[in-house]
Amino acid sequence: KNQVEQSPQSLIILEGKNCTLQCNYTVSPFSNLRWYKQDTGRGPVSLTIMTFSENTKSNGRYTATLDADTKQSSLHITASQLSDSASYICVVSGKNTGNQFYFGTGTSLTVIP
Amino acid sequence: DAGVTQSPTHLIKTRGQHVTLRCSPISGHKSVSWYQQVLGQGPQFIFQYYEKEERGRGNFPDRFSARQFPNYSSELNVNALLLGDSALYLCASSLMTGVYNEQFFGPGTRLTVL
Repeated sequence: KNQVEQSPQSLIILEGKNCTLQCNYTVSPFSNLRWYKQDTGRGPVSLTIMTFSENTKSNGRYTATLDADTKQSSLHITASQLSDSASYICVVSGKNTGNQFYFGTGTSLTVIP
Repeated sequence: DAGVTQSPTHLIKTRGQHVTLRCSPISGHKSVSWYQQVLGQGPQFIFQYYEKEERGRGNFPDRFSARQFPNYSSELNVNALLLGDSALYLCASSLMTGVYNEQFFGPGTRLTVL
């Protein structure tokens, strides 16, 4: 069964601190993995996308890593800001899954002053 | 340039009723996908349409149907609403179909079934 699991479920950090979010998946064969940021009540916005051959991708203070062998990805946020408070969703697609994307349940991040 | 737009933003229905949700993709995008996001969960794939044809379907009952119009806008229809259909319904557009194409999400329609 194709699944995407994220941890932790929720996280509270102080403004200015770093944090790392985890994503494990079973989708196989793997095609690509994306990280999205979703503000409450809004649609997700893409942060990064990585294919099988990429093991790291950065977008400003966001850095995603991918280990296709262990089927794990992480999203590292540096020098967190209050505006980083949101849900972060890992999305995986496979080569033989048609046009279907598999979404994790997300990590809810709260940055406090 | 306008992003993906969805209407209405909020909707309240009662059990057994029918609902139609609408989505307009980004100009030039020919593919539209629909997702259901229950509170506290990640989005679940419902349908994908490309050039007015269904290209993918998730694990949803036949009460859910959709179509895409010649201008690439799309409607999601849900019949015989259940309480469990209460969710944020997201529409995403992309240039083409396929998992390598970037999906851009709309703000969603919040459906509440009483």
